[in-house]
Amino acid sequence: ETGVTQSPTHLIKTRGQQVTLRCSSQSGHNTVSWYQQALGQGPQFIFQYYREEENGRGNFPPRFSGLQFPNYSSELNVNALELDDSALYLCASSLGWASGRDYEQYFGPGTRLTVT
Amino acid sequence: SQQGEEDPQALSIQEGENATMNCSYKTSINNLQWYRQNSGRGLVHLILIRSNEREKHSGRLRVTLDTSKKSSSLLITASRAADTASYFCATDGPLNNDMRFGAGTRLTVKP
Repeated sequence: ETGVTQSPTHLIKTRGQQVTLRCSSQSGHNTVSWYQQALGQGPQFIFQYYREEENGRGNFPPRFSGLQFPNYSSELNVNALELDDSALYLCASSLGWASGRDYEQYFGPGTRLTVT
Repeated sequence: SQQGEEDPQALSIQEGENATMNCSYKTSINNLQWYRQNSGRGLVHLILIRSNEREKHSGRLRVTLDTSKKSSSLLITASRAADTASYFCATDGPLNNDMRFGAGTRLTVKP
């Protein structure tokens, strides 16, 4: 157990709808990253939040957005869902740069999103 | 975009045998990490090796890193059925705290 939780576990949405996925980080972790993992592929970096500000983004359009809250929880929002958005969405928390340690990230179990 | 590429894509061995997985990457790195994933669930961190290290051990795991060849290998000795999973290598990205993953090696250990 990594201490990182995600909800819901599974979700089915229709194309064009909006979805919010939630993540609860390990206590004290000020950095959260979100990844998209398509079937049979490795995770792809979506974006990262550090102290409630977006701190970098991968190759994903603006309809992917996020929020990070002071209580170590965060959200991933996806608007105008497309069929290709069907994937496992993973969040990962870490201590970030302030820890002075190497950047081990602790992953949650993921949310499997199916878009029909 | 994917940074690392694992080889082979799939590996099937008998319990007790050793399993070797390879990873190649494209750009210079600060560190490389290996993760395990069971049945499409969350990733479990296995080991991190820094760019100035050549070899690292953790229990039955041995990781090597050759920065001149931009490659790494993960060796699992005396494999067990419970080692059946997908294994990913990941290199640090531009933010240092994001990671770039390969497509993974799917390991099956037969009892």
